[in-house]
Amino acid sequence: KAGVTQTPRYLIKTRGQQVTLSCSPISGHRSVSWYQQTPGQGLQFLFEYFSETQRNKGNFPGRFSGRQFSNSRSEMNVSTLELGDSALYLCASSLDRGIFPINYGYTFGSGTRLTVV
Amino acid sequence: AQKVTQAQTEISVVEKEDVTLDCVYETRDTTYYLFWYKQPPSGELVFLIRRNSFDEQNEISGRYSWNFQKSTSSFNFTITASQVVDSAVYFCALSEAGRLTGGGNKLTFGTGTQLKVEL
Repeated sequence: KAGVTQTPRYLIKTRGQQVTLSCSPISGHRSVSWYQQTPGQGLQFLFEYFSETQRNKGNFPGRFSGRQFSNSRSEMNVSTLELGDSALYLCASSLDRGIFPINYGYTFGSGTRLTVV
Repeated sequence: AQKVTQAQTEISVVEKEDVTLDCVYETRDTTYYLFWYKQPPSGELVFLIRRNSFDEQNEISGRYSWNFQKSTSSFNFTITASQVVDSAVYFCALSEAGRLTGGGNKLTFGTGTQLKVEL
């Protein structure tokens, strides 16, 4: 069974540019969430998508956005990159049958390491 | 608001020693899930355990064991007879079931504990 796939693994961008990261969840998983990991702030929740709808959002500026496609694949976009956006971006997929309050847990991808110069 | 505290930033042990990683959480929700993840240098978060708030039974999986105590809001993780391969950063995380947050999956992580196991 394939795991969560994130592409690309590494990315170097210049300040002011924009970037798009991709995440393919485990087959059958409809929930995809994104996290940013930095040495200073640790692991922080960005947003979560379920059945193509943003269901939850963290405290990040509007420069961070995302979307989910009908096949559950998700992308996140960061516009007008800043040096502080350099981080490991992790995607997690969850089964989530929509049966409250069951939580089936999260499987993470290997991440995309973004460096902004 | 939900919060997870891992007070131990770094722990160093000698191989074969037992080590306990502490985790204290805060939540107003009555239904929630607790997790432990391992992050090796490669960066991927490896799932170790999931526990819901209604199941306080301790769990043992090989050399790993977990002690969940709602009375003290703690979910501690013990590695017995540690090995060099256990060296990694370990994260405790909390996910509220949604009655207060309006639903959705969101993990709140602790700051992690760097475990170094030396020969």
